[in-house]
Amino acid sequence: GAGVSQSPRYKVAKRGQDVALRCDPISGHVSLFWYQQALGQGPEFLTYFQNEAQLDKSGLPSDRFFAERPEGSVSTLKIQRTQQEDSAVYLCASSWARGSNGYTFGSGTRLTVV
Amino acid sequence: DQQVKQNSPSLSVQEGRISILNCDYTNSMFDYFLWYKKYPAEGPTFLISISSIKDKNEDGRFTVFLNKSAKHLSLHIVPSQPGDSAVYFCVMDSNYQLIWGAGTKLIIKP
Repeated sequence: GAGVSQSPRYKVAKRGQDVALRCDPISGHVSLFWYQQALGQGPEFLTYFQNEAQLDKSGLPSDRFFAERPEGSVSTLKIQRTQQEDSAVYLCASSWARGSNGYTFGSGTRLTVV
Repeated sequence: DQQVKQNSPSLSVQEGRISILNCDYTNSMFDYFLWYKKYPAEGPTFLISISSIKDKNEDGRFTVFLNKSAKHLSLHIVPSQPGDSAVYFCVMDSNYQLIWGAGTKLIIKP
């Protein structure tokens, strides 16, 4: 596709529920990033993939968060046993190279945990 | 502790005038700086960048200034247009991780 596609756009989860957020990067983009943006804040780094390899997961806030990119294209961010503090917009970005300023962001998934 | 600070949550500017958005950072090791723009319900989009070897970079109506000794970055938009109304983020490129300020909401008044 022409851009980075994220689904769903909105997700309401009951506390304790597991959720899965999907990111379709731009075709051919090697690098893929997940960011978490809390209300009124800037995005914060969660994790980084180069192809299928997860090279950095230092930003994942807890072991309830898990990300994968098994075939080096589509990525899924999974949150287990959601908590209210997980409520945020989750942004996915891709780029053709590491360290490039040519990151393209998706529109994000807004997760609300009730 | 915030590494990137945008102290103005919002800024209102008359159409045609200059908009100046400011940003302070704490880590002198940062060497590449970016500004991103975000419209509601859309992802952030890259606007302009500057390397630490420069003190100014210009792209059309947008100019970014870097003062390394003061650890201060600013974005100038002139003349401001209604379509510039958006949230602007000051961003530090720390290798592949982007470190973001909280953003400044710019409102251009007709």
